[in-house]
Amino acid sequence: KAGVTQTPRYLIKTRGQQVTLSCSPISGHRSVSWYQQTPGQGLQFLFEYFSETQRNKGNFPGRFSGRQFSNSRSEMNVSTLELGDSALYLCASSLGPGGNSPLHFGNGTRLTVT
Amino acid sequence: AQTVTQSQPEMSVQEAETVTLSCTYDTSESDYYLFWYKQPPSRQMILVIRQEAYKQQNATENRFSVNFQKAAKSFSLKISDSQLGDAAMYFCAYRFFGNEKLTFGTGTRLTIIP
Repeated sequence: KAGVTQTPRYLIKTRGQQVTLSCSPISGHRSVSWYQQTPGQGLQFLFEYFSETQRNKGNFPGRFSGRQFSNSRSEMNVSTLELGDSALYLCASSLGPGGNSPLHFGNGTRLTVT
Repeated sequence: AQTVTQSQPEMSVQEAETVTLSCTYDTSESDYYLFWYKQPPSRQMILVIRQEAYKQQNATENRFSVNFQKAAKSFSLKISDSQLGDAAMYFCAYRFFGNEKLTFGTGTRLTIIP
């Protein structure tokens, strides 16, 4: 079974631009979560989607948004990029809430904002 | 709010020896899960072991085992017969029942000395 796939692996953007990251979950997984990882703040939860609905949202500004499609694939978007948005963005998938399914992570997208 | 604390930023161990990584957490919930993930230089977060809070028996996965002390809110990871491939960042994480959000500790960098 294929794992969680994130594209692209690396991205370089300029301040003020916007970016879209993609995540394809493991087949059969319906929940997708996003995390931001930086040296200073560590791993922080961004949001979680299940059945195309956002169930949980972390403490990030409105410039960070996401969505989930009917095939469970998810995208996250960051608008008006700032230097501080440079980070590794990790996507994780699971069967869904209420069960005992662990989260499985992708390889991440390394975003650099210049 | 739930918090996870890893007080050892770095640890090292001789190959074939045993090492224990510490983790404490704070929560008012009674039903939750605890996890150890490893993140090698490849960046992918890999699940090492998990523990359900309602289970008194400590989880084991081959060379990896945990010491779960619910009253003390402690969840340490023991790696036996350390191998070079065990070198990575290790993150302790918490998730309460019915919620997909993971709260991570700050990580412990484990170095294996040949």
